[in-house]
Amino acid sequence: NAGVTQTPKFRVLKTGQSMTLLCAQDMNHEYMYWYRQDPGMGLRLIHYSVGEGTTAKGEVPDGYNVSRLKKQNFLLGLESAAPSQTSVYFCASSNAGTSGHNEQFFGPGTRLTVL
Amino acid sequence: KNEVEQSPQNLTAQEGEFITINCSYSVGISALHWLQQHPGGGIVSLFMLSSGKKKHGRLIATINIQEKHSSLHITASHPRDSAVYICATRNRTPGGGADGLTFGKGTHLIIQP
Repeated sequence: NAGVTQTPKFRVLKTGQSMTLLCAQDMNHEYMYWYRQDPGMGLRLIHYSVGEGTTAKGEVPDGYNVSRLKKQNFLLGLESAAPSQTSVYFCASSNAGTSGHNEQFFGPGTRLTVL
Repeated sequence: KNEVEQSPQNLTAQEGEFITINCSYSVGISALHWLQQHPGGGIVSLFMLSSGKKKHGRLIATINIQEKHSSLHITASHPRDSAVYICATRNRTPGGGADGLTFGKGTHLIIQP
């Protein structure tokens, strides 16, 4: 099993360009998450999904859109990139559960620079 | 919004020392996670706990729900333990739920030979 994979690993964009980050998991997990990690700050939740066809906003959703057309994939889109979106982006997935006690499995991260 | 604070921010110790990293949070939670982020950037889940204590090898995690506090201990520390250790909480949501974790800023641990 590959676990959680992210594409691409690195990307440099110019302000105003658009791009899509792809997250894929092969563990049949219901829940998927996108986080960003910035220096001096903890990881912050951008958007998440509790199942195929559903998405929800997290702590810092502005400037991002997401889609979950297939259970195994969770896409993060930047329609018009800004320098403030320079960050490392992590995708994670977990099993569903009613207790909330679900381990999250993280992808390797995507380092994005917006010039 | 839950506030998650970790201490210390940075810790340098000698090989073999007993290490303690602390985490406190501001509101009730359903679970607390300890994660390890390697120098290469990958994040691995170490523990997930909602009460008491868990042990895995040289790592021990404890949580005190009443005091809203958790600790991560490393016994017989080794240079390969050098990493950033991150505390994260899962808030209570009606009916359970999948809202993501709230993270501390991490503790940068260096174990010197």
